[in-house]
Amino acid sequence: RKEVEQDPGPFNVPEGATVAFNCTYSNSASQSFFWYRQDCRKEPKLLMSVYSSGNEDGRFTAQLNRASQYISLLIRDSKLSDSATYLCVVNRDDYKLSFGAGTTVTVRA
Amino acid sequence: DAGVTQSPTHLIKTRGQHVTLRCSPISGHKSVSWYQQVLGQGPQFIFQYYEKEERGRGNFPDRFSARQFPNYSSELNVNALLLGDSALYLCASSFESGRFFFGPGTRLTVL
Repeated sequence: RKEVEQDPGPFNVPEGATVAFNCTYSNSASQSFFWYRQDCRKEPKLLMSVYSSGNEDGRFTAQLNRASQYISLLIRDSKLSDSATYLCVVNRDDYKLSFGAGTTVTVRA
Repeated sequence: DAGVTQSPTHLIKTRGQHVTLRCSPISGHKSVSWYQQVLGQGPQFIFQYYEKEERGRGNFPDRFSARQFPNYSSELNVNALLLGDSALYLCASSFESGRFFFGPGTRLTVL
């Protein structure tokens, strides 16, 4: 079983729509959780950390459910520039990031 | 401040050859990690170095090795290249745990 599993998508949504997707992680000892964004053939960039209480960053909302080992990301009012692959990332022991395979989102005009 | 830099950006090698990839972390960052990203998958952890000591190693064969220099830059070496080593190799630097900044990567093609 993979340490982090994501719905690969693709999610194809119109501008202005809301899109949500999630991932699950297998190791209950995981300590830190993140969403990274990766544009085609570019490096991953940190989108936001994910906290147990849930957190927002502008149009992006992340949720963490430790009991179910489940992380979600919601994007409101989608923009064309939100088109990317979103990587769910778990950090168990400070030095190693475990990545999901990514969820592809395409926002169309 | 400059971000994480990697060289070269692209590389083409043939099976059996050796390759050296280089990374310079963000100024002040003492930790460097290496990841391999095969097309269609998420990055996979290869190594982390902190203060010139190996802190962790992923599930990669001994053909993969790395080191960190006194100025905190790092090299990743891969011997006896296989077709399956074709990937984007990413370097990440960090200062505090949990905040990792990635370089643009080296795209390696093995023919």
